[in-house]
Amino acid sequence: AQSVTQLDSHVSVSEGTPVLLRCNYSSSYSPSLFWYVQHPNKGLQLLLKYTSAATLVKGINGFEAEFKKSETSFHLTKPSAHMSDAAEYFCVVTGRGGSYIPTFGRGTSLIVHP
Amino acid sequence: DTGVSQDPRHKITKRGQNVTFRCDPISEHNRLYWYRQTLGQGPEFLTYFQNEAQLEKSRLLSDRFSAERPKGSFSTLEIQRTEQGDSAMYLCASITPGMNTEAFFGQGTRLTVV
Repeated sequence: AQSVTQLDSHVSVSEGTPVLLRCNYSSSYSPSLFWYVQHPNKGLQLLLKYTSAATLVKGINGFEAEFKKSETSFHLTKPSAHMSDAAEYFCVVTGRGGSYIPTFGRGTSLIVHP
Repeated sequence: DTGVSQDPRHKITKRGQNVTFRCDPISEHNRLYWYRQTLGQGPEFLTYFQNEAQLEKSRLLSDRFSAERPKGSFSTLEIQRTEQGDSAMYLCASITPGMNTEAFFGQGTRLTVV
């Protein structure tokens, strides 16, 4: 069994300030972890993925995430928010064994103020 | 082949009518997933296929929901006797599971039941 908890339903930041979106996971298997972004009326786009290589993963648009096994976390960060980052962000876990079904968190809405 | 495509993008139907959605996955992907996404929530897994075999369908929301992938290529999701609570975005994703693979999502079909 696997699950994802996104700890914040909304995160509000000012443009140019750091972004932190929190994600904790549970998985019976050694997981693969992903962050997707969904802009209004757009499809889900992959930001980055962790698949057991480096624990610090770099993605598109300046986003990063760090896999911490001891904390079962995979938080998403960005040093400086841009207005175009305003969107819904989803943390996703997939167990490597078993049925490999991507399981989504409830999402975090990122609001960026000018 | 530029990605996963879904048709139609929008569907408005009257309560009690049947609806069918189509998903064309990325051609080399052997696994296809269906999800439902309601407002303010993350995508919720419904069912998936490995080639033409439906390997998990216990998460379909009721016996009014059914899915097929007859030749292991495109898939259809049918909802019979629609209810207002079926109004949602229905998403399709495809993948070839492996160590470094992520699911690719279509733009979704937005269903409105009136």
